[in-house]
Amino acid sequence: NAGVTQTPKFRVLKTGQSMTLLCAQDMNHEYMYWYRQDPGMGLRLIHYSVGEGTTAKGEVPDGYNVSRLKKQNFLLGLESAAPSQTSVYFCASSYGDRPGYTFGSGTRLTVV
Amino acid sequence: AQTVTQSQPEMSVQEAETVTLSCTYDTSESDYYLFWYKQPPSRQMILVIRQEAYKQQNATENRFSVNFQKAAKSFSLKISDSQLGDAAMYFCAFARYNFNKFYFGSGTKLNVKP
Repeated sequence: NAGVTQTPKFRVLKTGQSMTLLCAQDMNHEYMYWYRQDPGMGLRLIHYSVGEGTTAKGEVPDGYNVSRLKKQNFLLGLESAAPSQTSVYFCASSYGDRPGYTFGSGTRLTVV
Repeated sequence: AQTVTQSQPEMSVQEAETVTLSCTYDTSESDYYLFWYKQPPSRQMILVIRQEAYKQQNATENRFSVNFQKAAKSFSLKISDSQLGDAAMYFCAFARYNFNKFYFGSGTKLNVKP
């Protein structure tokens, strides 16, 4: 049972490049989330999904897009990376009616 | 809007002693959950303890316990008999009841001295 798997674990991008982060879960969770973690600011919600085919904005959605075409996958896209998007990105998933998350191990993204 | 505040950016404790990490939150909700997560250098987020707001009894998990003061909107974490493996960032988090969107504090870095 893998839980929540994030790929890649590390990435360096040049300003203006695009990329997609993949999150996959095998627990049949309805809800999935993308957070970013920055020093001194904790984790902030970027986007989330309450089911296949649905997405919603969180606290800091600008510069990101997401898609949930399959229940087990939640993709986070950066269309034109900026240095301000240098961060550690966490995916999480949960059941809709039970509190608590299962987190992935994070992706460290550096934009130069 | 919900906010979570951890006012201690960094703390230190001697091995085998007790330390308390503070967390306050602001919400107009009456039903909600509170959590403490541990993040070691491996970066993995690990659930330490969870408290349901409707429960008056404080949650306990082995050496970890909380002091939940609903009226004061305070949720502190006590670690007893501290171990070197407890060294990590600790995050306090809030989630509304039946709506699993979390709000995190900024974290407290705990150092454990041998």
